[in-house]
Amino acid sequence: AQSVAQPEDQVNVAEGNPLTVKCTYSVSGNPYLFWYVQYPNRGLQFLLKYITGDNLVKGSYGFEAEFNKSQTSFHLKKPSALVSDSALYFCAVSVNTDKLIFGTGTRLQVFP
Amino acid sequence: GAVVSQHPSWVICKSGTSVKIECRSLDFQATTMFWYRQFPKQSLMLMATSNEGSKATYEQGVEKDKFLINHASLTLSTLTVTSAHPEDSSFYICSARDPSGGYNEQFFGPGTRLTVL
Repeated sequence: AQSVAQPEDQVNVAEGNPLTVKCTYSVSGNPYLFWYVQYPNRGLQFLLKYITGDNLVKGSYGFEAEFNKSQTSFHLKKPSALVSDSALYFCAVSVNTDKLIFGTGTRLQVFP
Repeated sequence: GAVVSQHPSWVICKSGTSVKIECRSLDFQATTMFWYRQFPKQSLMLMATSNEGSKATYEQGVEKDKFLINHASLTLSTLTVTSAHPEDSSFYICSARDPSGGYNEQFFGPGTRLTVL
């Protein structure tokens, strides 16, 4: 069965420091990987996706993620965190279907 | 970019009544829409996949007679929670797939918070 794991419930980082939100996946076949962000009482906003090609994917708001096939990971990164980046982040995967399988989410807290 | 709206944004209803939630793709035609449910501090759970002009495909464990889905046009899907009970209280989020936006790129609505008293 396909699954996504976000091992950290919460990540705390000081403003200006780099941030990493971890995601690993388990699928049969080639994965399509996504990151979404959710602000309180809002829907999900698309950040970036990996379909094929360059393993380093750049997305919205300065975020990027690196696809690592050997480690089955797709960690989200940003060189310099902002307080406004504080939100709930979801990693998702799909394989050959329209369905997205979501991780449990990681709450990012950026402190001033 | 592609925009998906939901209406209402929040609704409070009495137990036993039915509630309809609308999901609209505003600037693109969506042949496929998805309905998710999100419990507090939890991830999104896919409830069903809605295809325009055909019956929805429900995920295992989701009662199709309780959660009625209608995808009558390329820009509108509705979810009706029938005979709602307090345990149906949740945050319901829809998404729509934009066929022109690359593989499986889904755009999400802002969500509807349902509270059943």
